[in-house]
This record gives sequence, C-alpha cells and structure tokens, in this order.
Amino acid sequence: AQTVTQSQPEMSVQEAETVTLSCTYDTSESNYYLFWYKQPPSRQMILVIRQEAYKQQNATENRFSVNFQKAAKSFSLKISDSQLGDTAMYFCAFMIPFQGAQKLVFGQGTRLTINP
Amino acid sequence: EPEVTQTPSHQVTQMGQEVILRCVPISNHLYFYWYRQILGQKVEFLVSFYNNEISEKSEIFDDQFSVERPDGSNFTLKIRSTKLEDSAMYFCATGQGNYGYTFGSGTRLTVV
Repeated sequence: AQTVTQSQPEMSVQEAETVTLSCTYDTSESNYYLFWYKQPPSRQMILVIRQEAYKQQNATENRFSVNFQKAAKSFSLKISDSQLGDTAMYFCAFMIPFQGAQKLVFGQGTRLTINP
Repeated sequence: EPEVTQTPSHQVTQMGQEVILRCVPISNHLYFYWYRQILGQKVEFLVSFYNNEISEKSEIFDDQFSVERPDGSNFTLKIRSTKLEDSAMYFCATGQGNYGYTFGSGTRLTVV
C-alpha cells in the first residue's frame, strides 16, 4: 500500500522568509504523480503544484517549487518570499495512474503560519 | 476558471436520517470522486466513479454509502442512516486523468 508521511505538524515563519515543507512517501511503483494541495481556513482544497515521477526536472509555479528526490522518495515544497495569504494547511498527496479513476493518498498535513 | 460546485455548504442532520450531498462537476471531466475530512485530520478517499460505475472504494465506503450520477450532470453521495462519526467535511472532486483534480468547496456535515 502507498503511504505519505508529513513529519512537520506545524511550522511558522516570518513574512518574506523562505520555508520548506517535508514529505516522504512509500511505493513500489515507478510511475506515479505527486501533488501539494493547500487548504486555507475556508477549507477549500487548492492544487499548488504537481510533479510527474518520470520527470527529473523539479516543478515550479511562481514562488512555489519542489525538490523531488525519487531514490529517497522525498518530495518537499519550498515557498519563497512567503506571504500572509500562504497561511494554510498543506497536504502532500500521491497518485498512481491507471485506466479508470485514480485515487489520491494524502499525508497528514502541515499547518503553516506566516507571521507579519 | 471552471469550478466544482457542492451543495449544501453545511448540513445538519439527526442521527439515523438519510442525507444526500450534491456536486456539479466541471463539464468535460470524466472522473469523479468523494473524499472526506474529519475535523483536524487528513483527507481520506471514499470512492471513485468513472464510466457510470464505481471504479474503486475504500473501507469507509460501506453499505450505508452510495453514489450516482442520475441525470448526467449532478454527482451525488447518499448516506442512508447517518451516524455521529459521519460528521466531517465531504469533498467532491472531478478530473480528466493524471493532472490532479479540482476539488469543490466542500459540504460540512454535522450529525447530531
């Protein structure tokens, strides 16, 4: 079974600082997808960034980037120049593609607080 | 930007009552999902639905749960006889494949 582990239940940084959220996963599959989702206080689930396992290049989306280490099964999220609006729960998630619907397996989440 | 719409946003129901949670998917999406999140805990997969049938379901999705897409647009989750432990946030999500999903804003279900 696939598992996703986020070892940091809470983190707190000052506005404009850089913060890195950790995620590790366990799978025997070679082809899969990894995601980071943001859940602000409104509780909406918002896709932040996506990484295909077969791509060596780390995904980036503006201030958000990942450090994908396939051999180590690690997928960390870096937020640069953090903003107050980045305050949220962040969930790492894993998906195995196959024909038909593909479920996401989520980690426990990291509560990130950006302080002014 | 296209959205997944869920109704109601909050539902309070008596234990033992039936509830139906509704979702309007993004129009060209083919894959539909329900997830739930008990307050303060991680998001858990309930069921996936593709080609008008369930493709996978979790252990949580027992005989009290059912899903359907009766009119080709709405995607519903029914809980036949609610229990206190069904209180949670329920998320509908829809997708086109391996690009990740779009989640709805959720329905907060409170069973009293």
